[in-house]
Amino acid sequence: QKEVEQNSGPLSVPEGAIASLNCTYSDRGSQSFFWYRQYSGKSPELIMFIYSNGDKEDGRFTAQLNKASQYVSLLIRDSQPSDSATYLCAVNTAGSYQLTFGKGTKLSVIP
Amino acid sequence: SAVISQKPSRDICQRGTSLTIQCQVDSQVTMMFWYRQQPGQSLTLIATANQGSEATYESGFVIDKFPISRPNLTFSTLTVSNMSPEDSSIYLCSVAAGGHGELFFGEGSRLTVL
Repeated sequence: QKEVEQNSGPLSVPEGAIASLNCTYSDRGSQSFFWYRQYSGKSPELIMFIYSNGDKEDGRFTAQLNKASQYVSLLIRDSQPSDSATYLCAVNTAGSYQLTFGKGTKLSVIP
Repeated sequence: SAVISQKPSRDICQRGTSLTIQCQVDSQVTMMFWYRQQPGQSLTLIATANQGSEATYESGFVIDKFPISRPNLTFSTLTVSNMSPEDSSIYLCSVAAGGHGELFFGEGSRLTVL
């Protein structure tokens, strides 16, 4: 059974700091990796995806993937109170559009 | 990405009744999915809505309880049948709209069963 594990948090960081969110997955056949942001009462919003080992940067966000360690992370630089949300990690396998989601990490950015 | 509209956005229903949730996409998409998010939990895939054929259900979900229609490439419905309080959840429609399996979600339908 495919599993995606995340620390539920809450993770509290001061405004302007770097927030580091981590995710591990069990299926070595996992192909693509996604980070979604979900504000309370809202639906998930895709922030980034990554499918190659290494780092991928998009503005203040950096996704990091290490397939050997089955580990993916999301770094948020210069954290803002508006980044306070639950961050969901999701993975799929090659040829599949079905995503398996982690339970999410709740991030709180303290002004 | 795609613009995905769901309705109703929320509803309060009585035990034993059924509710149909509609999902409309602003472009033709091949893959549509229905997810459930129970309070404080992550997303669980209910089924894949296939155009022109029966939906494919995940383990623990059955057609009698969650019948799905997919009459064309821009529209799908999910019915929650014979509801109980355990069905109180957010139901999310999603579509695959990228080359790497990116899923985009509708705004969700928050269902409360009394």
